[in-house]
Amino acid sequence: SYELTQPPSVSVSPGQTATIPCSGDELGDKYVTWYQQKPGQAPVVVLYQDTKRPSGIPERFSGSNSGNTATLTISGTQAMDEADYYCQAWDSSAVVFGGGTKVTVL
Amino acid sequence: EVQLVESGGGLMQPGGSLRLSCAASGFTFSHYWMHWVRQAPGKGLVWVSRIDSDGSRSYADSVKGRFTISRDNAKNILYLQMNSLRGEDTAMYYCARVKDYGLPLDYWGQGTLVTVSA
Repeated sequence: SYELTQPPSVSVSPGQTATIPCSGDELGDKYVTWYQQKPGQAPVVVLYQDTKRPSGIPERFSGSNSGNTATLTISGTQAMDEADYYCQAWDSSAVVFGGGTKVTVL
Repeated sequence: EVQLVESGGGLMQPGGSLRLSCAASGFTFSHYWMHWVRQAPGKGLVWVSRIDSDGSRSYADSVKGRFTISRDNAKNILYLQMNSLRGEDTAMYYCARVKDYGLPLDYWGQGTLVTVSA
């Protein structure tokens, strides 16, 4: 079965850039969605089709996807961005999630 | 306003059965694929099952043969029948919608908690 791998945690200082990788076999051939999840809340889409932001998502969230790695970048990270982030792709008829990355804003 | 509201969770003994429901409103339910995703306490998101707008279904290997997804387009309700429950099925269960293959799960419910314990 298809697998997506994320680092368990990323730390970033306020105002700096957080980079979250998501790796999978030939992931660049698939569309990747990124979800943000805060404690006690349901996940929210922050990026879809690799680079697109839903309405209401700040421009500081951006993404890329090439080769075996997709990346979520948070520029000018704010305290409110502290959350768990999950990458997701489709594999055949199933949905696959990465293990999640906890972003801590120190 | 799009709303997905899960219900039916609770405390069950191993080997028991439970049926979860997800009531949808604010969109044309029959036009969307619907998913169940679960999250064990303190763990990550795990896909469980999907049902397309035409009724086609798929399941994660971990629940295949034990769980059944279904939908009632007349009532705008998604179901998950869970049989032969195990401790590892303990999780928050979310329903989510998606317009088509390859697109994001763009709206999620708030989840219903299932606890399997003796």
